[in-house]
Amino acid sequence: EPEVTQTPSHQVTQMGQEVILRCVPISNHLYFYWYRQILGQKVEFLVSFYNNEISEKSEIFDDQFSVERPDGSNFTLKIRSTKLEDSAMYFCASSFPTEGATNEKLFFGSGTQLSVL
Amino acid sequence: QKEVEQDPGPLSVPEGAIVSLNCTYSNSAFQYFMWYRQYSRKGPELLMYTYSSGNKEDGRFTAQVDKSSKYISLFIRDSQPSDSATYLCATHLTGNQFYFGTGTSLTVIP
Repeated sequence: EPEVTQTPSHQVTQMGQEVILRCVPISNHLYFYWYRQILGQKVEFLVSFYNNEISEKSEIFDDQFSVERPDGSNFTLKIRSTKLEDSAMYFCASSFPTEGATNEKLFFGSGTQLSVL
Repeated sequence: QKEVEQDPGPLSVPEGAIVSLNCTYSNSAFQYFMWYRQYSRKGPELLMYTYSSGNKEDGRFTAQVDKSSKYISLFIRDSQPSDSATYLCATHLTGNQFYFGTGTSLTVIP
C-alpha cells in the first residue's frame, strides 16, 4: 500500500542552525502539507502546497519556514534558524481530492521528531 | 481560538466494551468532520469522515455529527486491544487547513 515516507525519523540540532525535513508524498497525490505536534499538544497546520506553490499557511509558518518540491517526488520543509520552541514532531501529509470532494483524506507520514538544543 | 475541543482522557475500557469519544467545535461554518487514529510514534491515520449531520457507520465504528449543537462523536463497538491508540477529531472548511482536537488516549484492556 502506498505511503508517505519521512526522513529522518529523528533530528537533533543546535539552536540557530538550519534544518531540512524531507518527505516523499504518495506518488499520484496533488496536495502536500506540513503539520507539527508539540508534545502533549494538538496537531497544528503549518502549510499546504499545490501546483508548485503555497496554497495556504498558518501564523506559525513565518519567514523562518520555507517549503520546496525540488523534483517530482520530494517535498521539503526548511527551518532557517531553529529556536527551542521549534522542537516538535513534524508530519508531512498528502492528498488526492476526488471530483466534487475536498481534501478530507489526508495521508500522514510517521513524522520527524525535531529536537532543538 | 479553540476551534475544536476534545477531552484528552485517558480512557480505559475492558475488551468488548462500547467506547464513546466526543468533540465540540466552535465554528458553525465547519462542514467536514474526520476521526483519525494515531498509534504511538506514528502519524494520524484516517478512520472516518462525514459531511452532514447524522450517523455514518463503517464496521465497528460509527461517526455521528450534530451540527445544531456542534458536537461530533465516534463510537467503537466490541472494542479490541488493537483499538488502543489516540483518537483525534478534526474538521475543516473547504480550504486546506485542518483543525485537530488534542486527541483522546484510549486503552482497551484484554
